[in-house]
Amino acid sequence: AQTVTQSQPEMSVQEAETVTLSCTYDTSESDYYLFWYKQPPSRQMILVIRQEAYKQQNATENRFSVNFQKAAKSFSLKISDSQLGDAAMYFCAYRSEGSGNTPLVFGKGTRLSVIA
Amino acid sequence: EAGVAQSPRYKIIEKRQSVAFWCNPISGHATLYWYQQILGQGPKLLIQFQNNGVVDDSQLPKDRFSAERLKGVDSTLKIQPAKLEDSAVYLCASSLVLTGTDTQYFGPGTRLTVL
Repeated sequence: AQTVTQSQPEMSVQEAETVTLSCTYDTSESDYYLFWYKQPPSRQMILVIRQEAYKQQNATENRFSVNFQKAAKSFSLKISDSQLGDAAMYFCAYRSEGSGNTPLVFGKGTRLSVIA
Repeated sequence: EAGVAQSPRYKIIEKRQSVAFWCNPISGHATLYWYQQILGQGPKLLIQFQNNGVVDDSQLPKDRFSAERLKGVDSTLKIQPAKLEDSAVYLCASSLVLTGTDTQYFGPGTRLTVL
């Protein structure tokens, strides 16, 4: 079974600075998808960014980018120019390729605080 | 576009009581998911529907949990009887199609406290 590990329970960053959240995963599969989800205090989870394992190019969405290292099974999230609204729980998630009958497997999350 | 709706937002019950949660997915979304999120952990899938059929319920404690999705739209998740360890946030999510890369949209969740 696949597992996702987020080794940083809490992180903090100064407003306008850059922060990197770590994620590693364990799988024997070659095709899969990786996601970062954000869960603000209101608890509605939203997708931040996704990466297809077959793509070598790292995904980027505005101030959010990932460093995907397939061989190392590492998938870190970089947030640039941090804003107060970035404060939230961040979850890394894995999903197998296939017909879609595969669940999202989440890590335990990293709580990010943004200091004004 | 309206998001995923869930009710109630909060529920407090005593152990051995029954409780039901309701979810209304985004219009047109064929796939619906129920997750359990225990404090300090990531969400764990309980059950997944494609239209009104069950795709995956391997992690659903079927002796006490049940779920249905009548007419392939709204869904209810029931716990009967509840245990202390069922205290968690129950998240509903939906997606347009059943593919690995399709985005899942989450509702605000129902926070259940079992005393």
